[in-house]
Amino acid sequence: DAGVIQSPRHEVTEMGQEVTLRCKPISGHDYLFWYRQTMMRGLELLIYFNNNVPIDDSGMPEDRFSAKMPNASFSTLKIQPSEPRDSAVYFCASSSQGKGGELFFGEGSRLTVL
Amino acid sequence: SQKIEQNSEALNIQEGKTATLTCNYTNYSPAYLQWYRQDPGRGPVFLLLIRENEKEKRKERLKVTFDTTLKQSLFHITASQPADSATYLCAPEGEDGTASKLTFGTGTRLQVTL
Repeated sequence: DAGVIQSPRHEVTEMGQEVTLRCKPISGHDYLFWYRQTMMRGLELLIYFNNNVPIDDSGMPEDRFSAKMPNASFSTLKIQPSEPRDSAVYFCASSSQGKGGELFFGEGSRLTVL
Repeated sequence: SQKIEQNSEALNIQEGKTATLTCNYTNYSPAYLQWYRQDPGRGPVFLLLIRENEKEKRKERLKVTFDTTLKQSLFHITASQPADSATYLCAPEGEDGTASKLTFGTGTRLQVTL
C-alpha cells in the first residue's frame, strides 16, 4: 500500500483565499483524522471520521474550517477564508482500529497564508 | 484541562549511550499511551503502544515504561545511533469516544552524535 497520501505538499496563498487540502487514507482503514501542527501548540486533533461520518469536530478552530469525507477513499479539509494564523502543517492520518489503534500519518501539507 | 509535558529542550547524547525521554501528563487517566517518531518534514511514525496495566514494553532497542501513579512514561533507546536522531512524541489516549483520540505532546528532539 502507498500509505496515506496528502496533497498538496506545499501551499502558499494570500489571506482571504480558500484553501482545500486533500487526503487519501490507507485502503481498508475505517478511521480518518485531521491534525494541525505548529511549533507553539504541537499536534492538535481537528476532527476525525469513522466510516465516513464525522464523529468529533471539537478541535476545529472556527467556522472557517470544514471537513468532508464523501467516500472511504477521500477526505478534504477546507479553510475559507484563510488567515495568516492558519499557517501550519496539516496532517491526515488513518487507522484500522478504534481504541488503541496505531495511526498512520501522511507526509503533511505545509500551508503558508500571507 | 489535559496537559502533556515533554522535555522542550533537545537531548544530546553520544552514540552507544542510552537515551531517556520523559513524558508527564496531568488531568488524564489514559488507557493507553503511544510513542511516535517524527523526522523533519515527515509525518509521525508509530513506535510503541503501552497499556495502563503494563509496566514496561520492549521492541528491539526501545523500551517504554508507564507509571499511572506518577502519571509518567519513560522512553529509552539503548545503544543509540546517529540514525535515532529525530523528534519523539508521546501521545496519551483518552477514554472518550471510540477511536484513538490521541493528544500529542510537543515532542523532544534527540540528537545522537558520534
